[in-house]
Amino acid sequence: DQQVKQNSPSLSVQEGRISILNCDYTNSMFDYFLWYKKYPAEGPTFLISISSIKDKNEDGRFTVFLNKSAKHLSLHIVPSQPGDSAVYFCAASARGVDTPLVFGKGTRLSVIA
Amino acid sequence: DTAVSQTPKYLVTQMGNDKSIKCEQNLGHDTMYWYKQDSKKFLKIMFSYNNKELIINETVPNRFSPKSPDKAHLNLHINSLELGDSAVYFCASQGMYGYTFGSGTRLTVV
Repeated sequence: DQQVKQNSPSLSVQEGRISILNCDYTNSMFDYFLWYKKYPAEGPTFLISISSIKDKNEDGRFTVFLNKSAKHLSLHIVPSQPGDSAVYFCAASARGVDTPLVFGKGTRLSVIA
Repeated sequence: DTAVSQTPKYLVTQMGNDKSIKCEQNLGHDTMYWYKQDSKKFLKIMFSYNNKELIINETVPNRFSPKSPDKAHLNLHINSLELGDSAVYFCASQGMYGYTFGSGTRLTVV
């Protein structure tokens, strides 16, 4: 049973507009969430994270929102750029406990110029 | 049925030993990966195979050797284990609709 779900396998957005990538989780023990970005033929690279004590974390054009009651998080990219075209993974873990990450299946974002 | 299964889930071993971690996927995917998760939960790619052929071989010590007997399996063999090899290792496979990660193998070298 998938504990971390990214229900949209792909998303297309025009350059300059907002990209919103969604992620849902089922395990209430998760309290630390990460987003990774992956280009073809490369490994995922860390993008941004959020702990459950916050509901928002911002880093430049990237903002992650966490809704604990809904067990939902989202990554907003604004403005979207063609270089943002990649696969984005949502991952979750119990922070402070040395446990493996649990990954979603990824969402392929295409930013169209 | 687990789509990507890694065994063992936990592995504790002494320095200098040789060990293997197995990965099997039943999704029919052509591409499989090995990643290492560091203590900050960052993921580093180690190897990628496509249909039994090595595609990506990042800078990892020669003590790490992947083996793909068929496209459903990608095993990781590690010789002469060192303390610094302690980490969580993830196997993943890639198909048309996305990636599927295994649940990870926690390797502890003592």
